[in-house]
Amino acid sequence: NAGVTQTPKFRILKIGQSMTLQCTQDMNHNYMYWYRQDPGMGLKLIYYSVGAGITDKGEVPNGYNVSRSTTEDFPLRLELAAPSQTSVYFCASSYSGQNGEQYFGPGTRLTVT
Amino acid sequence: GENVEQHPSTLSVQEGDSAVIKCTYSDSASNYFPWYKQELGKRPQLIIDIRSNVGEKKDQRIAVTLNKTAKHFSLHITETQPEDSAVYFCAAKGGSTLGRLYFGRGTQLTVWP
Repeated sequence: NAGVTQTPKFRILKIGQSMTLQCTQDMNHNYMYWYRQDPGMGLKLIYYSVGAGITDKGEVPNGYNVSRSTTEDFPLRLELAAPSQTSVYFCASSYSGQNGEQYFGPGTRLTVT
Repeated sequence: GENVEQHPSTLSVQEGDSAVIKCTYSDSASNYFPWYKQELGKRPQLIIDIRSNVGEKKDQRIAVTLNKTAKHFSLHITETQPEDSAVYFCAAKGGSTLGRLYFGRGTQLTVWP
């Protein structure tokens, strides 16, 4: 199993550009999550999904959108990138929504200039 | 939502000494408390977790304790080694929301040889 994979690893965007961060998991997990990690601030939840076709906002959803058309994929869309979106983005998945371990992808380092 | 506070933000210990990291949470209904380790440039990985019906859990040199009355939990690492150097995050899963974890801001642990 590859686990959770993310592309790209690095990206530089200009202000106002858009992009999609890709996330795929091959563990047949129903639950998937997007976090952003800023220095000294821990991990903040952007959006999450409890299954195909079901998504919900986390703590910091503004400026982002998600979709979940399949169990495996959970892309994160940035519209009109802003410098405040400079961060490391982690996708994660879990089998259980109750007490299940979350498995993280390798992360995408995004810089908006 | 849940609020998780983590202390200290940095911790330096000599190899062989013990390290303790403490977290508090606000939602008395929270029922799952994982700890993640993140090495520099890598993804967070689960090292130990505890559920609300257990007061203590141990795994070799790592232990976690939970005090539900005081709403705090702690990570204890004994006989520290240089490879324990990393950022450690505590998290809590709110009792009312499936799957969502709320993370502390992290503790940078440095173990000096």
